[in-house]
Amino acid sequence: DAKTTQPNSMESNEEEPVHLPCNHSTISGTDYIHWYRQLPSQGPEYVIHGLTSNVNNRMASLAIAEDRKSSTLILHRATLRDAAVYYCILVSNSGYALNFGKGTSLLVTP
Amino acid sequence: GAVVSQHPSWVICKSGTSVKIECRSLDFQATTMFWYRQFPKQSLMLMATSNEGSKATYEQGVEKDKFLINHASLTLSTLTVTSAHPEDSSFYICSALRGGGNQPQHFGDGTRLSIL
Repeated sequence: DAKTTQPNSMESNEEEPVHLPCNHSTISGTDYIHWYRQLPSQGPEYVIHGLTSNVNNRMASLAIAEDRKSSTLILHRATLRDAAVYYCILVSNSGYALNFGKGTSLLVTP
Repeated sequence: GAVVSQHPSWVICKSGTSVKIECRSLDFQATTMFWYRQFPKQSLMLMATSNEGSKATYEQGVEKDKFLINHASLTLSTLTVTSAHPEDSSFYICSALRGGGNQPQHFGDGTRLSIL
C-alpha cells in the first residue's frame, strides 16, 4: 500500500485557518485521498476525499497538488471542537481497508 | 447522513469471559464491515474484514478462533472476543462501507473493553 507522511502535531488558534499537509509521493493513479479525524475516545469521522480536483464540503476543503504527490486539508476557521487526530489515507479503487498511520494531532487554543 | 451504531460502549468483565460487540448500519445496507482495534496512544489497526454471508478475512496475527466475526445480515456484524484476557483490553471500533471501494467508511463510536 502507498504510504502517507504527516507531521506528528500542529497547533492553531481558534477561528484561524488551519492547513494540514500530507505527502504521498508513491500514490498510484487510481488511489483516492481520504481524510478522517478522530476525537478523543470516539471512532474516526470521515472528513473529505478526492482524486485529482480540489474538493469542498461543509467541514473542510481538500487541495490536491497537480502531481498528486501531496495534499492539504484546510479547516477554514478552527474551533475547539476541531481538536483531533487527522488521518490522511490513500484508498485504492479495488481495496477497501483503511491503513491508518499515526496522523497529525491538532491542538486548537482559545 | 450515514450512521453506524456500536454496542456496548463500555464493557468491564472478568478474565475468561466472552464478550460480544454489535455493529449496525442504521440507514444503509453494508455488504462490507471492518473491525479495528486501538491501543492507548496508538493508531487504529485493522483486525478483519467482514462480508455479509461469507467468512471474515483476518489480518495477519489476528486469531480467528479468538475473535469470532459474524455478518449475518446487511446491517449487522458482530465481534465476539472469546475467553478474554487482560491483554485483550482495548478500544474496538467497527466501520461500514456504503457503496464502492473508494467511498467513505462510516465508523461506530467504539467499544472500550476492559478485562480484569
